[in-house]
This record gives sequence, structure tokens and C-alpha cells, in this order.
Amino acid sequence: EDQVTQSPEALRLQEGESSSLNCSYTVSGLRGLFWYRQDPGKGPEFLFTLYSAGEEKEKERLKATLTKKESFLHITAPKPEDSATYLCAVQAWQAGTALIFGKGTTLSVSS
Amino acid sequence: DGGITQSPKYLFRKEGQNVTLSCEQNLNHDAMYWYRQDPGQGLRLIYYSQIVNDFQKGDIAEGYSVSREKKESFPLTVTSAQKNPTAFYLCASSTAGFNTGELFFGEGSRLTVL
Repeated sequence: EDQVTQSPEALRLQEGESSSLNCSYTVSGLRGLFWYRQDPGKGPEFLFTLYSAGEEKEKERLKATLTKKESFLHITAPKPEDSATYLCAVQAWQAGTALIFGKGTTLSVSS
Repeated sequence: DGGITQSPKYLFRKEGQNVTLSCEQNLNHDAMYWYRQDPGQGLRLIYYSQIVNDFQKGDIAEGYSVSREKKESFPLTVTSAQKNPTAFYLCASSTAGFNTGELFFGEGSRLTVL
């Protein structure tokens, strides 16, 4: 069964304290892995797509990486405005367009 | 500005009543989706549609119905057969083709059953 597990469930950081979020996945035939950011009471916002092991994508203080079993979202020198829930999702070739989402990691950054 | 509009933002329903959530997009996207989000849970797919007049059930379609009569619109009806309808409902759209995992989401509709 295809599944996505994110850890930790919650993460508290001080401003400037770098860390990483983990997304472990099991899927038969990975079409793509996706990271989204969700603010409280809002819809998720797309961040990155990763297609193959070794691929990396960067945007401001965020960098996403991919291996054959997991993805990391590295947050460098975070600011309070980075506080949000980060969602990971995978898409398998045989499942068509459907994404399988993890439960998310809620990040809180304090100043 | 292009985007997805969901309405209403908040909705209260009595048990036994059907309610319809609206979703409209002006992004000219072919594919549209409905997800349900519960506290501490990942997003779960209810229904999706890749073209007009066609849609497929997702993982939790029981108690829900949809229609896709226009490219821009994909309303979701929560019927009285849905046993636990209180949740945050998210509509999304995407282009067809390879990048179909890059979803654009609306602001969501929060349904509470009294």
C-alpha cells in the first residue's frame, strides 16, 4: 500500500536555528514528490516538485531533497513567518493523478 | 487575478440535511479535486475530475456527490448519508499532463454539523 509518513509531527525552533523535516514514503513507482505549505485555516500552497533521487530544489530559506525512500525539507535560519504546517505528498504512476498526503509537520519559529 | 474560489467559508448544517459546497476556478485548468482534512489527518481525496462531464471516486467518496457540467465549476454535495461530515473541505485544480501533482487550492470551506 502506498503511504507517506512525516516526522516530527511538530517542531519548535528559535529564529535562526536551522533544522530538517522528514518525509518517508512507500510507493510502487514514484511519479513525483511534492511539498506544500499550509497556514492555519487556509488551503495548502505548492512549494516544490521532486522527480528523481538526488534532485534538489531551493526557494529562499527552504531546500528540498529526495532519495529513493525519503525526502527532506531543510530550513536554514528560519524566521517567524516560516511558521506553518508543511505537507508532503507523493504521486504514483499507476494511481493516475491522485496524490497521497502525509499528515504534515507543524513548524513554529519564535523570535 | 486567477485562482480558486470556494464558498461558503463557514457552513453549519443540521443532521439529515444535504449541503452543497461551491468551487469555481478561472485558471483554465482541466482537472479539479475535492479533499477533506480532519485535525491530525492528512488530506484525503473525495472525488476528482479530469474533464467536463466525467469524474472519479477518491478514497472516501461514500456520502458525497459531485458534478462537472462546466470546466470552471466542480460543486460538492455532502449528503445525509455521510456519517461524520464535520470537516475542512478543500477544492483544488491542476493542469492536465505531467505536472498534475502541482495543485492550486482554494481557501477551504469549514462544515460543522450541529
